[in-house]
Amino acid sequence: EVQLVQSGAEVKKPGESLRISCKGSGYTFTNYWIGWVRQMPGKGLEWMGIIYPGDSDSRYNPSFQGRVTISADKSISTAYLQWGSLKASDTAIYYCARRGYGSSEWFGPWGQGTLVTASS
Amino acid sequence: QSALTQPRSVSGSPGQSVTISCTGTSSDVGNYNFVSWYQQHPGKAPKLIIYDVNKWPSGVPDRFSGSKSGTTASLTISGLQAEDEADYYCCSYAGTFTYVFGSGTKVTVL
Repeated sequence: EVQLVQSGAEVKKPGESLRISCKGSGYTFTNYWIGWVRQMPGKGLEWMGIIYPGDSDSRYNPSFQGRVTISADKSISTAYLQWGSLKASDTAIYYCARRGYGSSEWFGPWGQGTLVTASS
Repeated sequence: QSALTQPRSVSGSPGQSVTISCTGTSSDVGNYNFVSWYQQHPGKAPKLIIYDVNKWPSGVPDRFSGSKSGTTASLTISGLQAEDEADYYCCSYAGTFTYVFGSGTKVTVL
């Protein structure tokens, strides 16, 4: 079974750094792009960026470029989303999702989500 | 990247059909046949229900159907059921492995 399992909820103070993870299993991790999606409280989905674990090629939504870094460690089938300095406005649920294969475009399955709370 | 435009809410009675629109631009919806739709129940992760405009993933009932005309894609739910009450999001490919989601639509089953 293809699965993405994300790290647990985090509570941090503004200005702190943070890295959350997304571990893939049940498939060849290096062959599929992994995307990250933000959902702020009571709001919709926002596409943040995507990475190809095979060679770490990554793309970002301009709205998130420079604010977050997407990376991957193919040796442990894990993708990461990290912040150098959190803001209160980063409080949200963050989902990872596997991109479809070949010439199709879709995201699935999705991880269970990681709640990040940045509050003083 | 501006979010694709969806109606904030739609509603229907059990057994009826509802259609959700998703309007983009010539840079995303209008330029690619790569629109996907996701269903999200409260407190749950999104779930893929349509991809490449009108294709079904395994296990998704054919009560859900997708279409596209120009810069607007649509999701139709036929034979509305209570469990279809959820938020629905469209997503379009926008070139060079970038994507944009819709603003989301809440479907209420009356």
